[in-house]
Amino acid sequence: DTAVSQTPKYLVTQMGNDKSIKCEQNLGHDTMYWYKQDSKKFLKIMFSYNNKELIINETVPNRFSPKSPDKAHLNLHINSLELGDSAVYFCASSVGTGSSYEQYFGPGTRLTVT
Amino acid sequence: GNSVTQMEGPVTLSEEAFLTINCTYTATGYPSLFWYVQYPGEGLQLLLKATKADDKGSNKGFEATYRKETTSFHLEKGSVQVSDSAVYFCALSEIQGAQKLVFGQGTRLTINP
Repeated sequence: DTAVSQTPKYLVTQMGNDKSIKCEQNLGHDTMYWYKQDSKKFLKIMFSYNNKELIINETVPNRFSPKSPDKAHLNLHINSLELGDSAVYFCASSVGTGSSYEQYFGPGTRLTVT
Repeated sequence: GNSVTQMEGPVTLSEEAFLTINCTYTATGYPSLFWYVQYPGEGLQLLLKATKADDKGSNKGFEATYRKETTSFHLEKGSVQVSDSAVYFCALSEIQGAQKLVFGQGTRLTINP
């Protein structure tokens, strides 16, 4: 069984469109995250939710809006897509917010904006 | 702010060679330190971690020791295999009301048979 799943795996869209990426975890974890990995493989956190509450919001354009309908899901909606949004987006989850907890990552969604 | 610096890649080795990937960090306080591995086309997986100074993390023949005096967490393996080919990320964990992983830039490792 997949622990952290994301849909879609690939997303190709045009500039100006609005798109969503979905993430689900079946680990019973309380905390979920979104990361962006650029073309040079650099990974940076975007958002974190704990029990459906936003707890980390990095300096991300407000075109990006996360939504957590329940503890097991964290979706990412992106408005007015730009070329620079092309990247691989990873969802992750952890048991809680403690510093030593392992984060479990999904397989990633490769977003290409043309 | 906190940061992690890894040795520049890519790194190419022959099978059974000794591997070291250097990682140093800058942090206030005492973060936890991690090595994550990303195999081609997959998400990241935790390889090992250490939560306090002098702790040694180990898994699958890989080891890393948390060195507070040199602010380092170098990854080592005595004999690499082709299946170890992947991108390796060193990371530290900040707590700002929540765990926040700060990653190094990643090191691509290729092992030739």
